[in-house]
Amino acid sequence: DAGVTQSPTHLIKTRGQHVTLRCSPISGHKSVSWYQQVLGQGPQFIFQYYEKEERGRGNFPDRFSARQFPNYSSELNVNALLLGDSALYLCASSDTNTGELFFGEGSRLTVL
Amino acid sequence: DAKTTQPNSMESNEEEPVHLPCNHSTISGTDYIHWYRQLPSQGPEYVIHGLTSNVNNRMASLAIAEDRKSSTLILHRATLRDAAVYYCILKGISNFGNEKLTFGTGTRLTIIP
Repeated sequence: DAGVTQSPTHLIKTRGQHVTLRCSPISGHKSVSWYQQVLGQGPQFIFQYYEKEERGRGNFPDRFSARQFPNYSSELNVNALLLGDSALYLCASSDTNTGELFFGEGSRLTVL
Repeated sequence: DAKTTQPNSMESNEEEPVHLPCNHSTISGTDYIHWYRQLPSQGPEYVIHGLTSNVNNRMASLAIAEDRKSSTLILHRATLRDAAVYYCILKGISNFGNEKLTFGTGTRLTIIP
């Protein structure tokens, strides 16, 4: 079975641009979460979606937004990019019966 | 969110058991103890979780103190592939609105050949 897939794997943007990151969950998983991991730190929670509804939001500015589609895939959008947005963005899907999260390999964003 | 405390780093010899400690003195009665690990250049990977009783699976064992204020992840026979950052995380009951994991800085485990 395919795991959580994310695209693109790497991308470079400049300050002020916007970016869209995509995530496909494991088949059958209805919950998708997004995390930001800055170099040397643990991942930080950004959003969680379940059945297309936002169920949780971390301490991130309104420049960060997300949505979940009917097929449970998800997009994370970041507007007006700052240098500090450079990070690994991780998507995780979960089987809410077990509480276990399955992470993708991430999208590494570099903002110049 | 209740906080966990882990050593920044640990070393262990290959093929030896490894005991990774975690303190969580402010744990609530409904918090599960989850462990994830992150190998270099990969996303975190679920290892094990438990509530009160010790737990075993194919990857590891989780020993939980009787008062639940601490726990220990046990790798029975470390291999080079176990070199990773190990995160101890407290998580409430999964109820479709509570999938959030609060990661700390974890313990970086180095395996010595």
